[in-house]
Amino acid sequence: EDQVTQSPEALRLQEGESSSLNCSYTVSGLRGLFWYRQDPGKGPEFLFTLYSAGEEKEKERLKATLTKKESFLHITAPKPEDSATYLCAVQFRTGNQFYFGTGTSLTVIP
Amino acid sequence: EADIYQTPRYLVIGTGKKITLECSQTMGHDKMYWYQQDPGMELHLIHYSYGVNSTEKGDLSSESTVSRIRTEHFPLTLESARPSHTSQYLCASSETGGLAGGAYEQYFGPGTRLTVT
Repeated sequence: EDQVTQSPEALRLQEGESSSLNCSYTVSGLRGLFWYRQDPGKGPEFLFTLYSAGEEKEKERLKATLTKKESFLHITAPKPEDSATYLCAVQFRTGNQFYFGTGTSLTVIP
Repeated sequence: EADIYQTPRYLVIGTGKKITLECSQTMGHDKMYWYQQDPGMELHLIHYSYGVNSTEKGDLSSESTVSRIRTEHFPLTLESARPSHTSQYLCASSETGGLAGGAYEQYFGPGTRLTVT
């Protein structure tokens, strides 16, 4: 059973068109939820950590939010340089491993 | 910017060869990890280490071994490479402890793209 599910798989936006990416998880007892950005041929780059429901983090055009069973990565007025795959990972209290979703491939068209 | 390095970045090798993928970090992190990533798939944990002389297998040990003799160094060895080992290999490290009982983020290296012919 998938522990972490990301949607949509792919998203194409016009420059300036805001949208949200979703990350949902199925196991209770969250230790932390992490968002990463990954460019082609590179390793994931850390963006945010969220620990508890109601928490929000912001960085430039990105804002991450967390509820009890899912997280959203909101992208406001995206630019072409925001094009990348965005990965979500969770760590549960029952173990030490990180569980990754398959990512959302974002393309921002000029 | 995270200081974690992987070599080689690209490797093409024949079936049956023994290879070692290198990973080193200069952040003094106790925890280190190896992941395998295929296009459109989630990262799969191969091995992890919580400190010197501590190593554990992940869900996908893929006939590989690791060692952790020094804090900064975590090499991955494939004793006999097969075409099924063709993939992207990512090394990561993280701190220990912190808020919520240890939920520190991982920092990733640039990856090694391995092709076994």
